[in-house]
Amino acid sequence: DAKTTQPNSMESNEEEPVHLPCNHSTISGTDYIHWYRQLPSQGPEYVIHGLTSNVNNRMASLAIAEDRKSSTLILHRATLRDAAVYYCILRTLPNNNAGNMLTFGGGTRLMVKP
Amino acid sequence: DAGVTQSPTHLIKTRGQQVTLRCSPKSGHDTVSWYQQALGQGPQFIFQYYEEEERQRGNFPDRFSGHQFPNYSSELNVNALLLGDSALYLCASNILSGRTNEQYFGPGTRLTVT
Repeated sequence: DAKTTQPNSMESNEEEPVHLPCNHSTISGTDYIHWYRQLPSQGPEYVIHGLTSNVNNRMASLAIAEDRKSSTLILHRATLRDAAVYYCILRTLPNNNAGNMLTFGGGTRLMVKP
Repeated sequence: DAGVTQSPTHLIKTRGQQVTLRCSPKSGHDTVSWYQQALGQGPQFIFQYYEEEERQRGNFPDRFSGHQFPNYSSELNVNALLLGDSALYLCASNILSGRTNEQYFGPGTRLTVT
C-alpha cells in the first residue's frame, strides 16, 4: 500500500469543526482512502472511506483533492468523545482476494479542549 | 449483536513461555486478522485467516502462528516469548466478499512479557 503522511498531533476546541489532513502523493488509481480512529483503551474503528468524490456519513465528511494526492477528514462539531488517534490508510479495491490488511502509520492524535 | 470479542483482556507471561490469545469475530463475518500494537505506535498486521487458512502474512517470525476454527473464531499463538512481544494484540473481522471490507476491531489483549 502507498504511504500516507499525517501531522503527529492537532488540537481543537469543543463544538468547533476539525480538519485532519492526510497527504498521499503516491496514491494509485485503485487505492481507496480509508480513515479509522482509535479511542483511548479501545481498538480502532472505521470512520469513513472514499475513492474520488467527497463522502459524508453520520460520523464525519471526507474531502478528497481533485488530484487525489491529499484528503481531509472533517469532524463538523468536535466533542470530547472525538479525542482519539486518527489514521489515514490507503487500500486497494475491496474484494481483493489477495487480502485486505490495513497498513497503519503513526496517525494524528486529536486533542479536544472543553 | 455482539461485536468482536477477545480474551483474555490482560496477560502477563515470562520470557520463553508460550501464549494463546482468542478472538470471536462479529456475527456474520468470515475473515479474521491479527495486529500487534506497541505502545505509542500504530497497529502492525500479523496475519489474516479465511476458510481456516492463513491467506496473508505480515513481517512477523514463525514464532507467531494462528488458527481459525469452523465457527470462524481464531487463535493467535506466540512461542518463545521475548520482551519485545509486549504489546496490545488486536483482532479484527470482516466479510471477505463484503462491499467495503470495513474491518471491525476488538478491544485487544494486553500482553506483558517479563
